[in-house]
This record gives sequence, structure tokens and C-alpha cells, in this order.
Amino acid sequence: DTAVSQTPKYLVTQMGNDKSIKCEQNLGHDTMYWYKQDSKKFLKIMFSYNNKELIINETVPNRFSPKSPDKAHLNLHINSLELGDSAVYFCASSPGSRATDTQYFGPGTRLTVL
Amino acid sequence: QKEVEQNSGPLSVPEGAIASLNCTYSDRGSQSFFWYRQYSGKSPELIMFIYSNGDKEDGRFTAQLNKASQYVSLLIRDSQPSDSATYLCAVGGPYGNKLVFGAGTILRVKS
Repeated sequence: DTAVSQTPKYLVTQMGNDKSIKCEQNLGHDTMYWYKQDSKKFLKIMFSYNNKELIINETVPNRFSPKSPDKAHLNLHINSLELGDSAVYFCASSPGSRATDTQYFGPGTRLTVL
Repeated sequence: QKEVEQNSGPLSVPEGAIASLNCTYSDRGSQSFFWYRQYSGKSPELIMFIYSNGDKEDGRFTAQLNKASQYVSLLIRDSQPSDSATYLCAVGGPYGNKLVFGAGTILRVKS
């Protein structure tokens, strides 16, 4: 019974390609997130959706486009991949969008751009 | 831009000792404070959260918050080798659900 799941777990691709990562949560949460963790292990928020509405949009290249078809799913599409996009991308969810709502993380997707 | 700072470590403690992990934050309006543990190659998992000044205990873990000093800490009693991991401090608020993470402290518990 995986609470927050992501696919794929690993993604290896060439520069310039377009790829997508999918996330699903079965916790009944209203809010979902995408984080990027770089090689220095620094975890930084990219986007957050609450009930399919974008509520956090950090300074991220517009090659990154999130989509939330429903509140249980959040996908991340990346166009024209660059070497610097190599990182681990984590999806997370929380019951709501308050500062006190605990965020639960998925297993991560390790993206390697060659 | 609010910041969260942690000593990167590694912090080495012998098995059975108390490990003390510290975190400072810059935004005085911060409302929520979380400690996550991350094993190598795994995702962050929540250990504790604290919202009010003082101490909060859960098993071997105690979180301490001092908003006046903008300081939050995590104490791990009776440290075990399985506690060896990176500990991430995350701070939320004052508006919305944006969490800012520190760079993490590597803890090594030696048997």
C-alpha cells in the first residue's frame, strides 16, 4: 500500500529530449508537490498544487511544466532536457496547504541527462 | 528569501550516546518546524514536527524549539547504528505550505 508513488524510478536520457515523471498518492490529500534534490543533496521545492490548482511556482525554467489531472495525481513534464537537470525529483503530498500540514514524500525519480 | 542552516557534519557519536542536531532559520514569522531523516538513496521520512516553543518528545527523539533565538534542535537518545543517515531540518510558514529545507547534517553512529 504505497502512499506516494512515482514512476519511473530511474530515467536516463539524452540532452534535448522531453520526458515526464508521474506521481500518485492514495492518502486522500489535497495538496501535492514537486521537489528537486541536486548532487549536493539540497532539497528545493519547485511546484505545489492544491486541489488541481497551482499555488507554488518557484523560479524554475519554463521547460518544466507540472500538470495535475486530479488531486491524487501530479505529473512533471520536462522539455529540452539539459545536463543540469540531472537530479533526484521527489513528489510529496500533504493533507492541505497550511504551513503546519506535514508533507510525505514519494520514493523519488533519479534523472540522469547524458 | 528565508534560509535554513545546518552543520553539514558528519557528526559522529558512539552507539548509546545522545546525538544533538541543530538548525537555525532566518524568517521570524516561521510557524512550523520539521525533522526528516534521509537514508542514502532513499526519500526523506518524517521524524518529528514542532510548532510551539519548548520540547516535544517521541520515543528516543526530542525536538526543541526556541523561536526567540530562531533555533530548532533534534536530540536522539540511545543512538543506534541504524540512526546513521542525513537529517534534514525544514521550516514552514508564515504563509502557505512552502517548506524550506536545510542542507542536512550527516549523522554517523559507531558501534
